[in-house]
Amino acid sequence: QKEVEQDPGPLSVPEGAIVSLNCTYSNSAFQYFMWYRQYSRKGPELLMYTYSSGNKEDGRFTAQVDKSSKYISLFIRDSQPSDSATYLCAMSPYNQGGKLIFGQGTELSVKP
Amino acid sequence: EAQVTQNPRYLITVTGKKLTVTCSQNMNHEYMSWYRQDPGLGLRQIYYSMNVEVTDKGDVPEGYKVSRKEKRNFPLILESPSPNQTSLYFCASSFSLAEDNEQFFGPGTRLTVL
Repeated sequence: QKEVEQDPGPLSVPEGAIVSLNCTYSNSAFQYFMWYRQYSRKGPELLMYTYSSGNKEDGRFTAQVDKSSKYISLFIRDSQPSDSATYLCAMSPYNQGGKLIFGQGTELSVKP
Repeated sequence: EAQVTQNPRYLITVTGKKLTVTCSQNMNHEYMSWYRQDPGLGLRQIYYSMNVEVTDKGDVPEGYKVSRKEKRNFPLILESPSPNQTSLYFCASSFSLAEDNEQFFGPGTRLTVL
């Protein structure tokens, strides 16, 4: 079983929809949680960074961490065609600074 | 322009022929890392470095070597490449691992080992 599980999709939604992307994990030592966005033929870029549990909001994006359920989510409100990309969750344990574990990535397509 | 550069961008080689993929950053970052990306497996960390002369294994270090002799450079070495190392490779760097410290990724190197 992988340490981080993410549904690869693909996920197709109409413009303006609310998108929910999720990851589950098995390692209770994970303390740092990130979401990256990767456009086709590009390197990933950081979207959101959360430490421990709770919510974080940045514009149309909201990241949630539920450590009791070992579950993290990224919500995209009012989705746009420019949001079409692959979204990767990533996690790092508190006692192994530098080590990053990524999910498989979810491919999202937002149709105009 | 602040960036992470990788060379070469594309490489086709044969089994057993040693190769080096270079990575350089101009942001004075302490932390650098190498990943490989494969369909269905996502990004997997190969090696990372917290500072000059400090490196550690990621999830899939077998068959790879790294060195960090200068802060700006973090080359990835494949001493004897094999076909299962055919992949898309990314180098990344960040100032530190503190919260909200963005990790910048290079453009990727597509490697094919025949």
